[in-house]
Amino acid sequence: QVQLQESGPGLVKPSETLSVTCTVSGDSIGSHFWVWIRQPPGKGLEWIGYIYDNGNTHYNPSLKSRVTMSVDTSENQFSLRLSSVTAADTAVYYCSRLLNYGDYVYDIWGQGTMVTVSS
Amino acid sequence: EIVMTQSPATLSVSPGERATLSCRASQSISSSLAWYQQRPGQAPRLLIYRASTRATGIPARFSGSGSGTEFTLTISSLQSEDFAVYYCQHYNIWPPNTFGQGTKLEIK
Repeated sequence: QVQLQESGPGLVKPSETLSVTCTVSGDSIGSHFWVWIRQPPGKGLEWIGYIYDNGNTHYNPSLKSRVTMSVDTSENQFSLRLSSVTAADTAVYYCSRLLNYGDYVYDIWGQGTMVTVSS
Repeated sequence: EIVMTQSPATLSVSPGERATLSCRASQSISSSLAWYQQRPGQAPRLLIYRASTRATGIPARFSGSGSGTEFTLTISSLQSEDFAVYYCQHYNIWPPNTFGQGTKLEIK
């Protein structure tokens, strides 16, 4: 059974960098696209970007200047860094897996990690 | 950017009855449409993709239809665990994805 588990700082100060990691179990991180999606409290879902196992990435244009994703195949993990955060970046951050290339939907999700931006 | 609009924002239905949720795309997306369910405090769960294909493990009471710009999610005979927020998502152009704003299905 494939499971994803996010880990994050909980609280980040404004202007600092948010870092969240997703650990994959029950599946190899290879040959899959992995994505980050966030959800501000009480609001809808926002796609942040994807990373492939070879390190190829694509970011949401609205966040592109602040986002960096990386993958560690030896640890079966992938990570998100979001710089220069503001209160608007307060959200639950989910990691997820693309179902397959062609069906760009997300079949496996982590439980999410809440990140609050506050001084 | 393709904008997804869901209606209604809130739908009140009694257990055992049928619920019909709508999603409209700002331009044609063929059948590149998915539906997710999100229960309180949980991550979204994929229900339907390709507009009408049920994801693995999804009960048959969930069905999707539509193509182009108009889509429907139907839940026949609502169970207590079905009361949740439902999101549609297009993937006609990827990346990125955009999601609708959600429909909250509540108990009447």
